[in-house]
Amino acid sequence: ETGVTQTPRHLVMGMTNKKSLKCEQHLGHNAMYWYKQSAKKPLELMFVYSLEERVENNSVPSRFSPECPNSSHLFLHLHTLQPEDSALYLCASSQDMDRVVDEQYFGPGTRLTVT
Amino acid sequence: AQSVAQPEDQVNVAEGNPLTVKCTYSVSGNPYLFWYVQYPNRGLQFLLKYITGDNLVKGSYGFEAEFNKSQTSFHLKKPSALVSDSALYFCAVRAFNNAGNMLTFGGGTRLMVKP
Repeated sequence: ETGVTQTPRHLVMGMTNKKSLKCEQHLGHNAMYWYKQSAKKPLELMFVYSLEERVENNSVPSRFSPECPNSSHLFLHLHTLQPEDSALYLCASSQDMDRVVDEQYFGPGTRLTVT
Repeated sequence: AQSVAQPEDQVNVAEGNPLTVKCTYSVSGNPYLFWYVQYPNRGLQFLLKYITGDNLVKGSYGFEAEFNKSQTSFHLKKPSALVSDSALYFCAVRAFNNAGNMLTFGGGTRLMVKP
């Protein structure tokens, strides 16, 4: 295990639902990330948090809303999603955002299906 | 801007044979290169990284990678493949002058090791 957990592992939701994805890291890291992994596409960085402050938002639609209440927890709130948002959502953490040598540690992902 | 190319969508190898998964990169400044592996229904796991020094980097599960600055490549290798090595492999790069720990991932290469 990598020390990064994600819940739920699978989620099916309708386009009018509101749901949240949760990520928790037990590594004492200061930076956390949300990625989207779609079939046949490279990993897309969605959001970056460093010490609980958002530092990167890669033009993600507002129907995705992140929250980082502390350095160990990261949420992704979902509302009025589209079928093309179906994907594997991966959470990752690293020791510090600015350390170029640090690898990122990934959680197992949440497989999201929007119907 | 930085980019990573993994020219092969899939690599097929017989068990016991050597394997190579190719990766080329483009960055301005010194590159920091990473390999990750993703098993089915799992998140990405860190394999190895090149930061500086010896061009041959050794990592987990018997994998190694060779940094070649003149060819801007960082190919992943293993002398003797195992069926359990079958997975999706991602190369990633981070440039020295990039603000924050933002990795750019390649599109991934599926490795299939046949008994």
